[in-house]
Amino acid sequence: DGGITQSPKYLFRKEGQNVTLSCEQNLNHDAMYWYRQDPGQGLRLIYYSQIVNDFQKGDIAEGYSVSREKKESFPLTVTSAQKNPTAFYLCASSTQDGPGYGYTFGSGTRLTVV
Amino acid sequence: SQQGEEDPQALSIQEGENATMNCSYKTSINNLQWYRQNSGRGLVHLILIRSNEREKHSGRLRVTLDTSKKSSSLLITASRAADTASYFCATDVVSGGGADGLTFGKGTHLIIQP
Repeated sequence: DGGITQSPKYLFRKEGQNVTLSCEQNLNHDAMYWYRQDPGQGLRLIYYSQIVNDFQKGDIAEGYSVSREKKESFPLTVTSAQKNPTAFYLCASSTQDGPGYGYTFGSGTRLTVV
Repeated sequence: SQQGEEDPQALSIQEGENATMNCSYKTSINNLQWYRQNSGRGLVHLILIRSNEREKHSGRLRVTLDTSKKSSSLLITASRAADTASYFCATDVVSGGGADGLTFGKGTHLIIQP
């Protein structure tokens, strides 16, 4: 079945560590996105990519980095520069074809700083 | 600031009743989408309404869009316990073109009492 896979489901990070969250899709979608969700809040856009080897900053990119070396993969690195990384991270993808389609989301990674 | 704001923040109704949630936004949009999120999970796309559409139906869902008031509503008819979830509106904002990320509201938490 086509979909988006995020791993791991739970991740614990020590202060000062970088961690990488995985996002893989087999939907042949061009565009991929990373959102952050804090308790009781909506989603805020971290980074997005419309095509391989290209990506743009979203509203809260500071302390995060991404790469898009393959169409299927869009990993997110939470660096030590991110001062408050504890949150629920959601990856999504969408097709660029047509006048507008909904996003397909992964099941999320919950990151906790210990 | 949030582009979309849902109202109410929380809603509790009896099973079988109808549930109505509203969304207001600030800038011109290409389309508006509604998503559902069960606790601790990713978002699921429910319905998309384009800026030139006024009403759309999908099963027990009815969405309206009033671009003059910059508002949308989601109606869930004959609610079921399984409808308990958070519901988010998301706007695809008119910009320079390209899929540069949906903007999400903070959501309405819907509880269906058995």
